Amino acid sequence: SQQGEEDPQALSIQEGENATMNCSYKTSINNLQWYRQNSGRGLVHLILIRSNEREKHSGRLRVTLDTSKKSSSLLITASRAADTASYFCATDGGAQKLVFGQGTRLTINP
Amino acid sequence: DTGVSQNPRHKITKRGQNVTFRCDPISEHNRLYWYRQTLGQGPEFLTYFQNEAQLEKSRLLSDRFSAERPKGSFSTLEIQRTEQGDSAMYLCASSLNRMRTSLILGELFFGEGSRLTVL
Repeated sequence: SQQGEEDPQALSIQEGENATMNCSYKTSINNLQWYRQNSGRGLVHLILIRSNEREKHSGRLRVTLDTSKKSSSLLITASRAADTASYFCATDGGAQKLVFGQGTRLTINP
Repeated sequence: DTGVSQNPRHKITKRGQNVTFRCDPISEHNRLYWYRQTLGQGPEFLTYFQNEAQLEKSRLLSDRFSAERPKGSFSTLEIQRTEQGDSAMYLCASSLNRMRTSLILGELFFGEGSRLTVL
């Protein structure tokens, strides 16, 4: 079963615009991670935010975490064509495995 | 190449045949995970190993599925008597858990996956 739900399922924006993806989950967590997957490829880790953190930055990425609402958001600023991919949130609920959401398919139009 | 390696990358087989996938994790990583991903979905957990010990198996892993990590290095995932519903991408990931009793997971490093098509 998948704990996380991403919203929207698909997002299409123009190059240079910001992209925001949201993730909701159901149980308490140790941390939440975001991954990117290019079509037909494996997943690549982007960023990890711990349950006691509220915001984290990495380059053009900004992640927020609201444990009271059991939700997280991933913001990609100044999007580029190369950002076109599927983005997944994954939660570490203490069960020694990551549980992934269904993902957001992001398309950046040149 | 020091990343996670999976092979074969693609496998087409007829229903009822057996298939085996291999995963070579990053050499110093003690944890190894198998996930399955169908089109348009996120990865679903199948099983994981701490060194050579298989510590958890998902209910998704029916008795037709078996995974091994005999020497705590590479792992194999075998599917016997394949069914069309087994068609999916099988993803392997590894990680380093420095503390055996740590309950907190860090980053997983994924391979490129093995895509299975059952005709």
